Amino acid sequence: AQTVTQSQPEMSVQEAETVTLSCTYDTSESDYYLFWYKQPPSRQMILVIRQEAYKQQNATENRFSVNFQKAAKSFSLKISDSQLGDAAMYFCAAIQGAQKLVFGQGTRLTINP
Amino acid sequence: GAGVSQSPSNKVTEKGKDVELRCDPISGHTALYWYRQSLGQGLEFLIYFQGNSAPDKSGLPSDRFSAERTGGSVSTLTIQRTQQEDSAVYLCASRRTGGDGYGYTFGSGTRLTVV
Repeated sequence: AQTVTQSQPEMSVQEAETVTLSCTYDTSESDYYLFWYKQPPSRQMILVIRQEAYKQQNATENRFSVNFQKAAKSFSLKISDSQLGDAAMYFCAAIQGAQKLVFGQGTRLTINP
Repeated sequence: GAGVSQSPSNKVTEKGKDVELRCDPISGHTALYWYRQSLGQGLEFLIYFQGNSAPDKSGLPSDRFSAERTGGSVSTLTIQRTQQEDSAVYLCASRRTGGDGYGYTFGSGTRLTVV
């Protein structure tokens, strides 16, 4: 079974600085997908970035990028030039095949002005 | 519709009453998922639909919980004889199948409070 672990319950960063959120996972499959979701107070889960396990190149989406270390089963999210609107809960998640999306426990990110 | 719609947005119910939560997925999305999120916690999988059938019900916490999906579209999650520990946000998500790994589109959830 897949498991996803986020070891940082809370993180904070100064506005315009860079912050990295950690995530590790465990899977027996070689083909899977990894995601970072953002959950603002509105509760809706918003997809931030996705990574396909068979791709070695790290995914990037504007100010968001990942450091995907397949051998170490690590998938961290880097947010550059942090903005006040980035404040939210961030969830790391994994899926393999048609199985259910498995989430980590979440990291609450605070942006200090 | 353009997104996943859930109703009601908030529900307060008395302990012991039954509740129904509704999810209207994106048109054409054949896969539908229900998750539960307790206060300050991650998302806990409840049940997965492919079309109208539920290949994975492993996350339903007790036989008080049931769900159905009709016409390959709308799904209803029913909680019978609600308990205070059922208080949580119930999130629904849908996605198109085909192994594209594009993840899910989530609704805004229903916040259930059992008093």
